[in-house]
Amino acid sequence: EDKVVQSPLSLVVHEGDTVTLNCSYEVTNFRSLLWYKQEKKAPTFLFMLTSSGIEKKSGRLSSILDKKELFSILNITATQTGDSAIYLCAVEGAGSYQLTFGKGTKLSVIP
Amino acid sequence: SAVISQKPSRDICQRGTSLTIQCQVDSQVTMMFWYRQQPGQSLTLIATANQGSEATYESGFVIDKFPISRPNLTFSTLTVSNMSPEDSSIYLCSVELAGQKETQYFGPGTRLLVL
Repeated sequence: EDKVVQSPLSLVVHEGDTVTLNCSYEVTNFRSLLWYKQEKKAPTFLFMLTSSGIEKKSGRLSSILDKKELFSILNITATQTGDSAIYLCAVEGAGSYQLTFGKGTKLSVIP
Repeated sequence: SAVISQKPSRDICQRGTSLTIQCQVDSQVTMMFWYRQQPGQSLTLIATANQGSEATYESGFVIDKFPISRPNLTFSTLTVSNMSPEDSSIYLCSVELAGQKETQYFGPGTRLLVL
């Protein structure tokens, strides 16, 4: 059974701090790992990672995948209150053709 | 937490046909949602499944194309009608549990390929 574990489950930081969110996984025939930001009902897609060691970057957010150690991290630098959200990690297995979601990390950024 | 199952897990369908996807939850939930995940795109909310009444559809989605049922608190179906290749996607059911309004639990998804 595919499994995704995110840590920490929740995090409170001050504006300007840098945060690192973790996602570890076990999946049969890995296809891709996806990160989402959820503020309201529909999560917003952030990154899709398929290859190890290649950092994806979008503004203050970046993410990298380690397929050997089976984990990914999502970094947010110079955090802002608008970064407060639940960050979801999901893994797609080529064999199962399904997405397995982690429980999410709730990030709260306080002024 | 909640255990969510979806059937079928995947299917290959012909253009013009319809497919009904089932979502079953092992606990009573307050809200149930249906999403679509197309490759490289955001999860897109299709509709909120309301128990005993018509679903609430998001902009761009209509009942004739995506009829939804929710006969009780733990079960819902989404039908993809008159399918075209553009409907090829992963369809996901998600739920909110009572007392956990900020947390959504996602089902494993149904991968649909329309030829």
